[in-house]
Amino acid sequence: DVKVTQSSRYLVKRTGEKVFLECVQDMDHENMFWYRQDPGLGLRLIYFSYDVKMKEKGDIPEGYSVSREKKERFSLILESASTNQTSMYLCASRRDSYGYTFGSGTRLTVV
Amino acid sequence: ILNVEQSPQSLHVQEGDSTNFTCSFPSSNFYALHWYRWETAKSPEALFVMTLNGDEKKKGRISATLNTKEGYSYLYIKGSQPEDSATYLCAPGPNTGKLIFGQGTTLQVKP
Repeated sequence: DVKVTQSSRYLVKRTGEKVFLECVQDMDHENMFWYRQDPGLGLRLIYFSYDVKMKEKGDIPEGYSVSREKKERFSLILESASTNQTSMYLCASRRDSYGYTFGSGTRLTVV
Repeated sequence: ILNVEQSPQSLHVQEGDSTNFTCSFPSSNFYALHWYRWETAKSPEALFVMTLNGDEKKKGRISATLNTKEGYSYLYIKGSQPEDSATYLCAPGPNTGKLIFGQGTTLQVKP
């Protein structure tokens, strides 16, 4: 089974902190994605990556950056966490012609 | 941005009821439609990938149909059970790269 692992299930951070959310997949997928999910807004794409060291902005990239130094790892970085970044964050990976495999999510609370 | 709409936003049914909900998407440049089920505290899991107009897929008591010419898909659940309670997401998308998700339909099945 393909596995997408997110390092933390729950996270509480303070306003202004730099926050790293890690995602690792074990099936050599080219594409990786970061979404956030908020009530009534569905899944919104933050950033995605087609390959190592490549990144593309999604629909809501402001306040975020990403890093993909190795194919299996895609990190989401909150440069200076704010309370409006409190959300559920989902990582996913995808091989061409197939759908997504999702991680279990990280629920981030910024206080 | 591709406009994907799901209706209703939420649904409450009694155990044993059959139910259905809708995913609407632009019919131009269609490639494939993905359905996912997202249970609380779990990762979204893939249900179906549909590509052909008139396609019908079935998995147990859940089935889906696709109309690419008019841009909609229906998801049906026959004889709903409490374990069917989840958010159901649809996402049209290309062969590679990102999917665009609807806001989801949250189903609650009461015993």
